[in-house]
Amino acid sequence: AIRMTQSPSSFSASTGDRVTITCRASQGISSYLAWYQQKPGKAPKLLLYAASTLQSRVPSRFSGSGSGTDFTLTISCLQSEDFAAYYCQQYYSYPFTFGPGTKVDVK
Amino acid sequence: EVQLLESGGGLVQPGGSQRLSCAASGFTFTNYAMSWVRQAPGKGLEWVSTIRGSGGTTNYADSVEGRFIISRDNSQNTLYLQMNSLRAEDTAEYYCVKDVGDGALAGRFDYWGQGTLVTVSS
Repeated sequence: AIRMTQSPSSFSASTGDRVTITCRASQGISSYLAWYQQKPGKAPKLLLYAASTLQSRVPSRFSGSGSGTDFTLTISCLQSEDFAAYYCQQYYSYPFTFGPGTKVDVK
Repeated sequence: EVQLLESGGGLVQPGGSQRLSCAASGFTFTNYAMSWVRQAPGKGLEWVSTIRGSGGTTNYADSVEGRFIISRDNSQNTLYLQMNSLRAEDTAEYYCVKDVGDGALAGRFDYWGQGTLVTVSS
């Protein structure tokens, strides 16, 4: 199975900050990577797929980049509603695997 | 509007069985792969299983292979997960998930149900 790692596991930030989360795959996955946001007590929400394609109705402050094994999720200007956990997920091959998550909380 | 409504969760003893259901609406069910994703309390997300739109192809995580069976009834727009030989480590919120596509496009999860909690304990 392809192992996904994320860094950092958690950090504190302030509204207006530019935030970057890194995701790494244990082997090349081309651009078959998705990012999800999850708020406490809620189901995850798809933010981006194909590493950099924004899902419908997701704000443009979210962006993604990377291919192969290294990927990033960037939030250009953190808003109050963005404090949440973020997960990357590869869909290059079965079994699909998620990263362990990155929790962004209020500084 | 896409809606996914899970049911069937609850308390089950180790070694027992449980069947989860997911009633889907708001899209052409047969055109999309469907999956189950679970999340243990306080933990991250774990993909469990995917079934193609036709129902002819299924895939499972190693952790559930041979114990869980995913199926779908396209006439009833319903997804199922039959869980057998349940273990404490299967305790989790189980989400019914719609895929962005089918076949080679599978693996991107654009709609999620609210989840149903399965607790395996004596």
